[in-house]
Amino acid sequence: QQQVKQSPQSLIVQKGGISIINCAYENTAFDYFPWYQQFPGKGPALLIAIRPDVSEKKEGRFTISFNKSAKQFSLHIMDSQPGDSATYFCAASKRQTGANNLFFGTGTRLTVIP
Amino acid sequence: DSGVTQTPKHLITATGQRVTLRCSPRSGDLSVYWYQQSLDQGLQFLIQYYNGEERAKGNILERFSAQQFPDLHSELNLSSLELGDSALYFCASSAQRDGSYEQYFGPGTRLTVT
Repeated sequence: QQQVKQSPQSLIVQKGGISIINCAYENTAFDYFPWYQQFPGKGPALLIAIRPDVSEKKEGRFTISFNKSAKQFSLHIMDSQPGDSATYFCAASKRQTGANNLFFGTGTRLTVIP
Repeated sequence: DSGVTQTPKHLITATGQRVTLRCSPRSGDLSVYWYQQSLDQGLQFLIQYYNGEERAKGNILERFSAQQFPDLHSELNLSSLELGDSALYFCASSAQRDGSYEQYFGPGTRLTVT
């Protein structure tokens, strides 16, 4: 059972455009929602994360929007650049000492066309 | 560079064999996680250790085992290998104290079973 659902599977955006990736979760006990960026042959790199007590978090060109009632969250990449071309994973977990493994979405392959 | 190191980078072995993957967490991080990434299953959580103790188990096969040593490095042992075990294996670490639950991933070990 996929605890975190992610869409779209792939995304093609023109340079300078906005990339939007969506995720939905089922478990209301989740209280930590990170996004990871992965380049081919590399490990996932933590990009930005949000807790459910805020509806939006922005870091540079990356913004997470969070809708607690709908159990959805999304990543917006503003002014997308060719260097942003990578696979993006959303994830969810509980913030607790001990069992706090991440449940990942299936990933979105982003291609930014120059 | 996340500060998490993994060895070896690549491993090619035959079916039925046993291998050991090694992970050194970021300095001061108490928790180590192992994840498997394959094309058909995505990023799947295997097992978590916190300060030497097993804290959570995911879909880890009985042929797989792990441990965390007093110096906090961890090893993942895979035995009776099958073709389907070919995947990327990632280690992540987390401080899990003072409200810090971010997980940082290593570069991974690519396992090929022939």
